[in-house]
Amino acid sequence: EPEVTQTPSHQVTQMGQEVILRCVPISNHLYFYWYRQILGQKVEFLVSFYNNEISEKSEIFDDQFSVERPDGSNFTLKIRSTKLEDSAMYFCASSDARGGVLREQFFGPGTRLTVL
Amino acid sequence: GESVGLHLPTLSVQEGDNSIINCAYSNSASDYFIWYKQESGKGPQFIIDIRSNMDKRQGQRVTVLLNKTVKHLSLQIAATQPGDSAVYFCAEMDTGRRALTFGSGTRLQVQP
Repeated sequence: EPEVTQTPSHQVTQMGQEVILRCVPISNHLYFYWYRQILGQKVEFLVSFYNNEISEKSEIFDDQFSVERPDGSNFTLKIRSTKLEDSAMYFCASSDARGGVLREQFFGPGTRLTVL
Repeated sequence: GESVGLHLPTLSVQEGDNSIINCAYSNSASDYFIWYKQESGKGPQFIIDIRSNMDKRQGQRVTVLLNKTVKHLSLQIAATQPGDSAVYFCAEMDTGRRALTFGSGTRLQVQP
């Protein structure tokens, strides 16, 4: 069964450093998403991406964040200058839209980001 | 996806019993709803979805009920098994926005 994959599973970084989290969405999906889950809190939407551009973003997704689809398979989230409060589990998700109707989002296993 | 430290409502059931997990959603413009299961250290796993033009949908051992009048969603799991133990989240979406809003979750503990 096709699945969303994410690398690395755990990333440790120093405050102020840049990190890039990588995702390979399900191959025939066209919509891509990033969510995060801070320890002890619920899953929060960050950004959605379609047709090579951001289609929706939350207030969390400020200028420190960016997304990119550098090739036909990868989808990345970059945090330019990490802060302690960026420590969280980051989930990538993807969905298709058969018949123009959005369908369920399938989530990857997540990348745990620890900012020291 | 760690749920350690989350002060979640917990539903404890015996193996073989039916479970009902409830969720109140907030956005009356939401027209698509999903239930996800999250096991410790894993990402949310899709269980079942329902659109706002329906009030009930059944899957294998699971049923989702939607009451738009009171903005309430429930997940029924029949013949609950130990493998069903996890945190369950409802998520809502206004499909014009393409962003899921997750609820705070319920921990289901199945006693063998």
